[in-house]
Amino acid sequence: DADVTQTPRNRITKTGKRIMLECSQTKGHDRMYWYRQDPGLGLRLIYYSFDVKDINKGEISDGYSVSRQAQAKFSLSLESAIPNQTALYFCATSDWSGNPTQYFGPGTRLTVL
Amino acid sequence: KNEVEQSPQNLTAQEGEFITINCSYSVGISALHWLQQHPGGGIVSLFMLSSGKKKHGRLIATINIQEKHSSLHITASHPRDSAVYICAVPPSGGGADGLTFGKGTHLIIQP
Repeated sequence: DADVTQTPRNRITKTGKRIMLECSQTKGHDRMYWYRQDPGLGLRLIYYSFDVKDINKGEISDGYSVSRQAQAKFSLSLESAIPNQTALYFCATSDWSGNPTQYFGPGTRLTVL
Repeated sequence: KNEVEQSPQNLTAQEGEFITINCSYSVGISALHWLQQHPGGGIVSLFMLSSGKKKHGRLIATINIQEKHSSLHITASHPRDSAVYICAVPPSGGGADGLTFGKGTHLIIQP
């Protein structure tokens, strides 16, 4: 079983709809991240969380919110989706106690019409 | 904000060729990451290095902290090496987290 899972894997929605992307991990890591990837722009950080009670904005947090429900779960919400939020979204985890390697989920392809 | 530049953006080579991908960054860092994104979209970490050189199979990563530059080399390239290779750096300080990524190098190895 994958260590970092994301649901859904693909989603098509309409402008103005509320969308939640979910991420779960079994690695026992404290740190979790949400990134989005756009063609020609690369990956960019949306939000990150050091632990359940510590959530921080990244480079492009406008239009997004997150919830860290437990150490293993980190959800990304689009309160009112817009077409320029069409992108590939990745969740990642890391354990900074020794090795800050990041482990990525498989990605969620979101299309906003 | 650290600016991360990769070159080339696209690279097509023949099987067996020696491949070099370059990464430069603008602000001093403690370590640099190289990642591989498969054609299906999945991202895996290849290396995290803070000095010198690391080798894993046919992949070699080097870093020069003073020059703010890293290279990823692939020896005896194979079509299965076709992927996007991405370098990334952590924040330079201030208690922040998350990576800043280059735009990636799209590598195609032809048989």
